[in-house]
Amino acid sequence: DAKTTQPPSMDCAEGRAANLPCNHSTISGNEYVYWYRQIHSQGPQYIIHGLKNNETNEMASLIITEDRKSSTLILPHATLRDTAVYYCIVRALYNNNDMRFGAGTRLTVKP
Amino acid sequence: GAVVSQHPSRVICKSGTSVKIECRSLDFQATTMFWYRQFPKQSLMLMATSNEGSKATYEQGVEKDKFLINHASLTLSTLTVTSAHPEDSSFYICSARTGGIYEQYFGPGTRLTVT
Repeated sequence: DAKTTQPPSMDCAEGRAANLPCNHSTISGNEYVYWYRQIHSQGPQYIIHGLKNNETNEMASLIITEDRKSSTLILPHATLRDTAVYYCIVRALYNNNDMRFGAGTRLTVKP
Repeated sequence: GAVVSQHPSRVICKSGTSVKIECRSLDFQATTMFWYRQFPKQSLMLMATSNEGSKATYEQGVEKDKFLINHASLTLSTLTVTSAHPEDSSFYICSARTGGIYEQYFGPGTRLTVT
């Protein structure tokens, strides 16, 4: 699986959009970008995943650059409950191995 | 979405005793289950992978005789920490996946404290 790079921490004001970047410059053609988050003392929660098109669901939007070397997770209206560590993971869809977690980005939403 | 449960959510045990943690897939059959360990302010580290009906595969550095994993059915895997010591205190998280679909679903975690 390709390596990802994320900033260690970010702050966001409550009600504003939170934009979390992820670099994955060595991504290969069959690898998807997955985002999970982990709220303190809980298991990871799946957010969204995509291959090359932008994706949106009830939780977030995922914007993937045209060259697929980076992506941004967008939480459109961050709330205090969105404070968590966000993990960007790149892996092939039919990869039989587990999800490998890096250090992630610690997002703090402030009132 | 698919739900994975863990029991107990929190356990305190004395040094030298054994502790069993259960992981269940509630609404799907999990052909593969993963066990992770997470120390404070660190990321998840994979301990072992288990496929239903076969022996678990342990990551390098994880003692298979200390962390016993049983995946006897398609909905249940157990992790037993034998002869626990304070350094085994950690957050243990299981994850489950169905065959043919490579999405992974995570349990809520079990906080183990060894005194």
